[in-house]
Amino acid sequence: DAGITQSPRHKVTETGTPVTLRCHQTENHRYMYWYRQDPGHGLRLIHYSYGVKDTDKGEVSDGYSVSRSKTEDFLLTLESATSSQTSVYFCAIKGDSVNTIYFGEGSWLTVV
Amino acid sequence: QKEVEQDPGPLSVPEGAIVSLNCTYSNSAFQYFMWYRQYSRKGPELLMYTYSSGNKEDGRFTAQVDKSSKYISLFIRDSQPSDSATYLCAPNDMRFGAGTRLTVKP
Repeated sequence: DAGITQSPRHKVTETGTPVTLRCHQTENHRYMYWYRQDPGHGLRLIHYSYGVKDTDKGEVSDGYSVSRSKTEDFLLTLESATSSQTSVYFCAIKGDSVNTIYFGEGSWLTVV
Repeated sequence: QKEVEQDPGPLSVPEGAIVSLNCTYSNSAFQYFMWYRQYSRKGPELLMYTYSSGNKEDGRFTAQVDKSSKYISLFIRDSQPSDSATYLCAPNDMRFGAGTRLTVKP
C-alpha cells in the first residue's frame, strides 16, 4: 500500500468551529490534493499543492484553506465549518508519472 | 460545461455481462486519461490509464480513447460481482467525472 494516511478518519463538529484535516505521505511525492466527494457530484477538487508552500485553488475552494510546510504533510482547514461542508474528504498524492497516483482512505466529516 | 461528464448510473448487470462505462471531456489538450475504481467507503484506486487515442487492454478491462469525439470508455468483459464499485474517469489534470456506480449481480 502507498504511504498515505488521513486524520482524523471520522469527525463530528459544530457549525462555526474550525476544523483541520491532515494528509501525511511517506512517498516524497511532489503533488498533493484535497477533494470532497458528495452524492451526484463525484470527486471535486478543493485545493492542491505542487511543492512546499506552493498551493493553488481547485473548483470548490470557498470556505477552505490549505498549508504545506513540509513535503510530507498537506493540511486542509475549514475556518468556520458549515453544514454544507459535511462530506467525505479525500487526499491524493502524485509523483512524476501518472501511475504514481494514490488516494487516502478518506475523512468523514459531519457538521451539525 | 464541466470538463468531464459521466453518467452516474446506477448501472446493474448480471454476472458475465459486458459492461461499457463512458465519459466525455471538453479540453482537447488532455494527453492521457485515467480510470479509477472505488469500493464502498474506500479511496479510489487507479485501474488503468491510456495515452492519446486507441485501446489499452489489461485482463478483462479495456480502456478506449477517441480524441476526435472527446469520448473515453472502459469495457469490462465477463463481469464479476467483485467488479461492483464506482468507476471514475479523469483526464490528466486530476479532475474527475461524477463516477458511475456499477452492480454486478450473481
